[in-house]
Amino acid sequence: NAGVMQNPRHLVRRRGQEARLRCSPMKGHSHVYWYRQLPEEGLKFMVYLQKENIIDESGMPKERFSAEFPKEGPSILRIQQVVRGDSAAYFCASSPMGPGYTFGSGTRLTVV
Amino acid sequence: AQTVTQSQPEMSVQEAETVTLSCTYDTSESDYYLFWYKQPPSRQMILVIRQEAYKQQNATENRFSVNFQKAAKSFSLKISDSQLGDAAMYFCAYRSEGGNTPLVFGKGTRLSVIA
Repeated sequence: NAGVMQNPRHLVRRRGQEARLRCSPMKGHSHVYWYRQLPEEGLKFMVYLQKENIIDESGMPKERFSAEFPKEGPSILRIQQVVRGDSAAYFCASSPMGPGYTFGSGTRLTVV
Repeated sequence: AQTVTQSQPEMSVQEAETVTLSCTYDTSESDYYLFWYKQPPSRQMILVIRQEAYKQQNATENRFSVNFQKAAKSFSLKISDSQLGDAAMYFCAYRSEGGNTPLVFGKGTRLSVIA
């Protein structure tokens, strides 16, 4: 079991470009969460998805950010027209039913 | 909404000594989970220990133990016989019971271990 796989590990984008972050949950996990970690901060919840459904997006910025978890393939967090303030580490976690979470190693997005 | 507060931005401990990291939280719920996560420089989030609020007994995992005071809404982490590999950011987190609810994190405590 490879754990939660996130890629890329590092991503550099120029202002105005799009960033696509991928997350493959652990085998057997059908729940995916995205979190954002700003420098010197804890992780902040963004969105919770199950296959083909967004369950809770209360932490997502209203504009430029979107997430999906298709029937086949990884979950994608997309940030359109990135700005410097989007620079952060983005973590994905997956779980089966129950309280257990497994985190990926994160994607560090740098906007230049 | 629930909040988690870690009042110690940085802590240090001598190797082989014991250190306690503080965490308080605010909630109106009676059933929930509390967690301590370790984040080394590799950035990986590693679960250290978990406590169910309905359990009175404090959780223990090898050198790591918690002091869970439900009435005081306090959840401190004690690391015994500290090792150099314990140096990391430590995050306290809260999760509501029922369903797959998200984690609420504190801002973290940076722990240094002095040889």
